Amino acid sequence: QQQVKQSPQSLIVQKGGISIINCAYENTAFDYFPWYQQFPGKGPALLIAIRPDVSEKKEGRFTISFNKSAKQFSLHIMDSQPGDSATYFCAARAYSGAGSYQLTFGKGTKLSVIP
Amino acid sequence: DTEVTQTPKHLVMGMTNKKSLKCEQHMGHRAMYWYKQKAKKPPELMFVYSYEKLSINESVPSRFSPECPNSSLLNLHLHALQPEDSALYLCASSRQVVGGQTNTEAFFGQGTRLTVV
Repeated sequence: QQQVKQSPQSLIVQKGGISIINCAYENTAFDYFPWYQQFPGKGPALLIAIRPDVSEKKEGRFTISFNKSAKQFSLHIMDSQPGDSATYFCAARAYSGAGSYQLTFGKGTKLSVIP
Repeated sequence: DTEVTQTPKHLVMGMTNKKSLKCEQHMGHRAMYWYKQKAKKPPELMFVYSYEKLSINESVPSRFSPECPNSSLLNLHLHALQPEDSALYLCASSRQVVGGQTNTEAFFGQGTRLTVV
């Protein structure tokens, strides 16, 4: 059972355009929502994260929008650049006990930004 | 410093070999994780250590054996692996959860690319 649904699977955007990736979840136990960026052959790198009591968070060209009632959140990349070409994973965190938590990942979106 | 260091970066092993993957962090994190990632798939959780104790084992086959010698180190011992175990193995760490705090983002290492032949 996939607990975090991510779309689209792939995305092609022109340089300077806006890239939008959407995620939806069902589990109300999730309490934190990070986005990771992964380049080929590298580990995922934390990009930006949001709490469910915040509707929007912006860091540079990256913005997360969060709709708690709809259980949806999205990543917007403004002024997309070729260097943004990577796979993006949304994730949702739930406490797993004993001082640790588990991340549930979406299936990923492969973003290609063309010049 | 938000670095999680994994060694080796690449590993090729035969099905009868025994090898170990190593992970190190110096951020003072007390939760450490092993993930497995196949090509074009998201990371899948394998094990969670909290305060050097195994807290979660996601039904991982016994040919994978984790070990946490101290709060900075995490090992994954490999024995009698199968070709389908070939994948990118990722280590991550996070600050331990206390109450409802949210600044417990997980930081990932660069991974070990494992090929089983």
